[in-house]
Amino acid sequence: EPEVTQTPSHQVTQMGQEVILRCVPISNHLYFYWYRQILGQKVEFLVSFYNNEISEKSEIFDDQFSVERPDGSNFTLKIRSTKLEDSAMYFCASSFADTRNQPQHFGDGTRLSIL
Amino acid sequence: GNSVTQMEGPVTLSEEAFLTINCTYTATGYPSLFWYVQYPGEGLQLLLKATKADDKGSNKGFEATYRKETTSFHLEKGSVQVSDSAVYFCALIPMTAGNKLTFGGGTRVLVKP
Repeated sequence: EPEVTQTPSHQVTQMGQEVILRCVPISNHLYFYWYRQILGQKVEFLVSFYNNEISEKSEIFDDQFSVERPDGSNFTLKIRSTKLEDSAMYFCASSFADTRNQPQHFGDGTRLSIL
Repeated sequence: GNSVTQMEGPVTLSEEAFLTINCTYTATGYPSLFWYVQYPGEGLQLLLKATKADDKGSNKGFEATYRKETTSFHLEKGSVQVSDSAVYFCALIPMTAGNKLTFGGGTRVLVKP
């Protein structure tokens, strides 16, 4: 069964450094998402992406965050200048369509630790 | 705004016991409702869903019924196995535009042999 792949599984970065989290969505999916889960808290929506542009973003997704689909397969989340509070598990997801009936398929996540 | 509340865990059960995890939601109209499961070291997997009132989602022996009158979507399984040990997340997508999942806090379930 096709799956969403995320790399790396664990990223350790110094505060203030840039970090790029990578995702390979399912190949025929058209909608892409990033979520995050701070330890002990709920899974929170960050951003959705379709047709090479952001379709929706949350208040968390400020100017420090950006997303890109640099080629036909990868979908990346960049944090420009990391803060301690960016430490979390980041999940990528993809779906075939933007309807409530189309399930979002999640990757295993990247654990980001900011020192 | 939209929100999901689910019972806090951990829930510890013996094998073959009956499992219920309560989930209630706040949303306008008729959201779509989901249960996701996260096994240790893995990502979130869709377990089941329901998109309108009185729909019953089912998968792998798990069931949940969309109750509009009580704004609930409780997850049940009649006889759990050790392999059901995981974190279970209730979630919704609102009926308005967009496809953003709003999650509950997750409930950790531990099934002992």
